[in-house]
Amino acid sequence: DAKTTQPPSMDCAEGRAANLPCNHSTISGNEYVYWYRQIHSQGPQYIIHGLKNNETNEMASLIITEDRKSSTLILPHATLRDTAVYYCIVRVVYSGNTPLVFGKGTRLSVIA
Amino acid sequence: GAVVSQHPSRVICKSGTSVKIECRSLDFQATTMFWYRQFPKKSLMLMATSNEGSKATYEQGVEKDKFLINHASLTLSTLTVTSAHPEDSSFYICSAPGLAGFGTETQYFGPGTRLLVL
Repeated sequence: DAKTTQPPSMDCAEGRAANLPCNHSTISGNEYVYWYRQIHSQGPQYIIHGLKNNETNEMASLIITEDRKSSTLILPHATLRDTAVYYCIVRVVYSGNTPLVFGKGTRLSVIA
Repeated sequence: GAVVSQHPSRVICKSGTSVKIECRSLDFQATTMFWYRQFPKKSLMLMATSNEGSKATYEQGVEKDKFLINHASLTLSTLTVTSAHPEDSSFYICSAPGLAGFGTETQYFGPGTRLLVL
């Protein structure tokens, strides 16, 4: 799986959009971009994933650049409950029998 | 989304005793589950892959005789920490692959088990 680079920490004001960047310049054509988050003392939570098109669900939006070398996770209206470590992971789809490899992620602090 | 449960959520034990942690996929079947360990302020580290009906595979540096894994059914994997020592105190998390829509898959994680060995 391709390696990803994320800033170690970010702050965001409550109610504003949180934009979390991720670089994955060595991504292959068959690799998806997945985002997870881990709230303190909980297991990671799946957020969203995408291949090349922008994706949106009830939790977030995922914007992938045209060259697929970077992406941005957007939490449109951050709340205090969104404070967590966010992990960007690149992996081949249909690889259910392979584990996720976690980097250090971005620690997002939502401030009132 | 799919739900993975873990039991217990928290356990305190004396040094030298064994502790069993259960991981269940509640509404789907999983022939493979993964066990991770997380130390404070660190990222998740894969310990082993649990395979239903066959032996688990362990990551380098993880003692298979100390961390016993049994994948007894398509919805249950157990991790037993044998002869636990204080350095085994950690947050243990399991995951299982499940559907994520449009024919793709993702991993669903349990809530974690915090082990404290005194």
